[in-house]
Amino acid sequence: QKEVEQDPGPLSVPEGAIVSLNCTYSNSAFQYFMWYRQYSRKGPELLMYTYSSGNKEDGRFTAQVDKSSKYISLFIRDSQPSDSATYLCAMNANDYKLSFGAGTTVTVRA
Amino acid sequence: EAGVTQFPSHSVIEKGQTVTLRCDPISGHDNLYWYRRVMGKEIKFLLHFVKESKQDESGMPNNRFLAERTGGTYSTLKVQPAELEDSGVYFCASSQVQGTYEQYFGPGTRLTVT
Repeated sequence: QKEVEQDPGPLSVPEGAIVSLNCTYSNSAFQYFMWYRQYSRKGPELLMYTYSSGNKEDGRFTAQVDKSSKYISLFIRDSQPSDSATYLCAMNANDYKLSFGAGTTVTVRA
Repeated sequence: EAGVTQFPSHSVIEKGQTVTLRCDPISGHDNLYWYRRVMGKEIKFLLHFVKESKQDESGMPNNRFLAERTGGTYSTLKVQPAELEDSGVYFCASSQVQGTYEQYFGPGTRLTVT
């Protein structure tokens, strides 16, 4: 069983729609939860992080963590064509090793 | 502030050859990490340096891979001899504080072994 499972996608949404991205995990030791955005031929760029259950909002992005269900989500409101990218969830257990999901490719159509 | 840089951006080599990848972390970052993504799979941790010392190389696939970090600055990852299954994208990341979520990634080196 993989430590981190991410909804595979791809997702294609019209501009202005809400994008919902999800990951589940099996390792109870994970404490820090991150979302990275990766554009084609670029490295992953940290979007958001959180370490507690609940919601964290940053502009159009909301990260949600439910530790009891081992489930995390990222919501993108008012999606823009510039949001088209691959989104990766990642997590770690207060150490240095990041465990990644496989990524979900999102296309926002103008 | 310059980000993490990696060289080359793309390398195509034949099976059995040797390739060396280079990573220059963000200046002042003591922690340096190597990750790899093979086709269709997740990004996987390879190893971690603190300055010039290897802290953890548990993710290194086998002894054909050798990582070094000279003087605690840039790092190299050598694959010798390369095999077909080594193809993938090799990412380097750096961070200022160990155990932090704030790992900054480079653009990656795409390695193709034919």
